[in-house]
Amino acid sequence: NAGVMQNPRHLVRRRGQEARLRCSPMKGHSHVYWYRQLPEEGLKFMVYLQKENIIDESGMPKERFSAEFPKEGPSILRIQQVVRGDSAAYFCASSPNREPGELFFGEGSRLTVL
Amino acid sequence: KQEVTQIPAALSVPEGENLVLNCSFTDSAIYNLQWFRQDPGKGLTSLLLIQSSQREQTSGRLNASLDKSSGRSTLYIAASQPGDSATYLCAVIRQGGSEKLVFGKGTKLTVNP
Repeated sequence: NAGVMQNPRHLVRRRGQEARLRCSPMKGHSHVYWYRQLPEEGLKFMVYLQKENIIDESGMPKERFSAEFPKEGPSILRIQQVVRGDSAAYFCASSPNREPGELFFGEGSRLTVL
Repeated sequence: KQEVTQIPAALSVPEGENLVLNCSFTDSAIYNLQWFRQDPGKGLTSLLLIQSSQREQTSGRLNASLDKSSGRSTLYIAASQPGDSATYLCAVIRQGGSEKLVFGKGTKLTVNP
């Protein structure tokens, strides 16, 4: 049973480009969470999605960031027109249901904006 | 607004020592508390999860306690080993249906051989 898979593991973008980060949850999990870890900071919640639904996006920046979790395929976190401040590690976690419980995290995608 | 604080920010101990990592949270209305381990450049590994109705959980050399009324949790590591070197993160989920984990900034542990 594969764990949470994230790709790419490392991504380098120049300012103004787009970054797309993908997350495949654990088998049987239909709930996905995205967290961001800025350098020297704790992990901060960004968005919580269920298949085809955004449940809670209260942690998402208002502009340039979007997330989706389609019926088929991985969840995608999209950052448009990246800026240096977007450089961070982006972690995805999954759970089997909506009941708050143990979350299983991927190894993260590390975005560097030049 | 829930805030999670971890003290100390960094800790260096000799191999074999027993140690305690501290976590405090400002809102005692939590659903559960989770301790994670993060190795450099890696993801998070769940170590222990304590439900709000529980007082402690144990796994091998690790023991986590929870005092919800005082807003505190401790992670006790017995007979520390160099392989325990990592950053340890504490996170809580608020009671009332929120699924969001609120994390502390972590304690960076170094166990010296």
